[in-house]
Amino acid sequence: GAVVSQHPSRVICKSGTSVKIECRSLDFQATTMFWYRQFPKQSLMLMATSNEGSKATYEQGVEKDKFLINHASLTLSTLTVTSAHPEDSSFYICSARDSWNTEAFFGQGTRLTVV
Amino acid sequence: GDSVTQMEGPVTLSEEACLTINCTYTATGYPSLFWYVQYPGEGLQLLLKATKADDKGSNKGFEATYRKETTSFHLEKGSVQVSDSAVYFCALRRGQGGSEKLVFGKGTKLTVNP
Repeated sequence: GAVVSQHPSRVICKSGTSVKIECRSLDFQATTMFWYRQFPKQSLMLMATSNEGSKATYEQGVEKDKFLINHASLTLSTLTVTSAHPEDSSFYICSARDSWNTEAFFGQGTRLTVV
Repeated sequence: GDSVTQMEGPVTLSEEACLTINCTYTATGYPSLFWYVQYPGEGLQLLLKATKADDKGSNKGFEATYRKETTSFHLEKGSVQVSDSAVYFCALRRGQGGSEKLVFGKGTKLTVNP
């Protein structure tokens, strides 16, 4: 299947700083990308959906000014957690889909720890 | 709203044992149903899917049947291997095209011992 690469796999940052997570589609053009968040022992929760060149659509309850999503090209989307706090510590996963395929392919996830 | 409930883990089995991971869902209409697997250090991979009632998805010896009457999509395998050790997620999707969203269960960690 198609490959989606997410970077970094783990990151530790200090409270108040910002962290950027990258999601790349390596062998296809990702017209749509999804960002999920997973708390320990909880489901993956969809945070936002982004289409290339458009503003992201955020799910209810997700702060768009805190979780900045950029999908400027067909192979790259970024999630920036701004002014991170310990409660933002979580597992973040992206997935990507091209315009021909209804299935989305997932990255390996990023474990964010805010201290 | 839509939701997926799957069996709490962790599940520990010996090699060649039978596996069942229960999954039930709540959704309006006719969602598509999925099982994803996440091996250690890797992203989620689609394991199998079913798009309508009574469909059976199968892959790598795993099977699941879309049961609308019981709103279930239980994952089964007759003989597990050590290499099946992973976290398994049940999920549903409604909508078509760009509006589709996946709703996941909490995941069930499976460990298979030799």
